[in-house]
Amino acid sequence: NAGVTQTPKFQVLKTGQSMTLQCAQDMNHEYMSWYRQDPGMGLRLIHYSVGAGITDQGEVPNGYNVSRSTTEDFPLRLLSAAPSQTSVYFCASSYSVSPYNEQFFGPGTRLTVL
Amino acid sequence: AQKVTQAQTEISVVEKEDVTLDCVYETRDTTYYLFWYKQPPSGELVFLIRRNSFDEQNEISGRYSWNFQKSTSSFNFTITASQVVDSAVYFCALSEAHATNFGNEKLTFGTGTRLTIIP
Repeated sequence: NAGVTQTPKFQVLKTGQSMTLQCAQDMNHEYMSWYRQDPGMGLRLIHYSVGAGITDQGEVPNGYNVSRSTTEDFPLRLLSAAPSQTSVYFCASSYSVSPYNEQFFGPGTRLTVL
Repeated sequence: AQKVTQAQTEISVVEKEDVTLDCVYETRDTTYYLFWYKQPPSGELVFLIRRNSFDEQNEISGRYSWNFQKSTSSFNFTITASQVVDSAVYFCALSEAHATNFGNEKLTFGTGTRLTIIP
């Protein structure tokens, strides 16, 4: 049981480039989400999904796209990278959409945009 | 709107000392859930505890204890006899039961407290 996995672990992009951060979970969790962590700001929700085919925006969605074609995978796409997107990105999953459920986090992706 | 405040940005204590991490929250909901997560130097956040708004019992798990007080909107975390392995960033978080849409997307994190245990 690998839990939540993310790739890559580190990435450097140039402004304007696009890329996809991969996230997968093997716990058959219904709910998946992407957060970004910036110094002094805690974790902020980018996008989330409550099941295959269902996604919605979080607090800071601009510049990012998501899709969820399977229960296991929830990739995050940066359409045209900007220096403001330099951050650490965490994928998380939980058993259901209930606010009671704790989140399981991946190891994170450290992204630098030059 | 919900809010979580962790006023202590960084704390350093000598090993074996006790330390308390403060968490103050704001919510208009009557049913809500509070969480603590630990982020060790490896980077991955790990769930520590959950408490719902109807359960004000304090909880102890080994060297860890949590004090939930609705009267002061606080959910503080105490580590007794701290160890170097406790060095991490600790996040307090809040989710509301009657949030818009589904609920889990309204999980709000505090800004975290970096705890350093000095050997």
